[in-house]
Amino acid sequence: AQSVTQPDIHITVSEGASLELRCNYSYGATPYLFWYVQSPGQGLQLLLKYFSGDTLVQGIKGFEAEFKRSQSSFNLRKPSVHWSDAAEYFCAVGGQEYGNKLVFGAGTILRVKS
Amino acid sequence: SAVISQKPSRDICQRGTSLTIQCQVDSQVTMMFWYRQQPGQSLTLIATANQGSEATYESGFVIDKFPISRPNLTFSTLTVSNMSPEDSSIYLCSVVRWTSSYEQYFGPGTRLTVT
Repeated sequence: AQSVTQPDIHITVSEGASLELRCNYSYGATPYLFWYVQSPGQGLQLLLKYFSGDTLVQGIKGFEAEFKRSQSSFNLRKPSVHWSDAAEYFCAVGGQEYGNKLVFGAGTILRVKS
Repeated sequence: SAVISQKPSRDICQRGTSLTIQCQVDSQVTMMFWYRQQPGQSLTLIATANQGSEATYESGFVIDKFPISRPNLTFSTLTVSNMSPEDSSIYLCSVVRWTSSYEQYFGPGTRLTVT
């Protein structure tokens, strides 16, 4: 069965600092991997996805993520964090083998300090 | 992307009553899902809404508690029946869109509080 682990429940970074949010997955076939962001009181917004091909994917708002099959990881990065990035971030895995259903990680709450 | 609307956006309901949540998509989609997000928790899939047939429920969710309808390719409803305070959650509708790849989009959610 598919599963996702986000080991960091909370992360605090200073504005302008770099950011890396960790995501590890378990999946029996070729995974589709996603990062979503949820701001307080808001819905889920898709940041980026890995489907196939280039393992470094670019997303919106200056985010990128790297798929590493050998490590079963899909970590999210941003070189310089802005205060508006404070939100909760969810990693998710899915695929055709499981009916395109998504399994979500527990989420990482990002706090940005000025 | 996909434009998804949900009604109501929020509601406060009494224990023992039922609430029906509507999900409308701006264009036809093959796959629609319903998720639940309990307070402070991640998202959990309730069921896949199948057009023209019974929904497919995940382990721990049953049709009597969460009946789902999907009369066409742009609309679905989820009913939360005989509610208890434990049903207080955000309920989200989601759709899959295939373009050059696979993307799943979420509605704004319905925030339900059961008193």
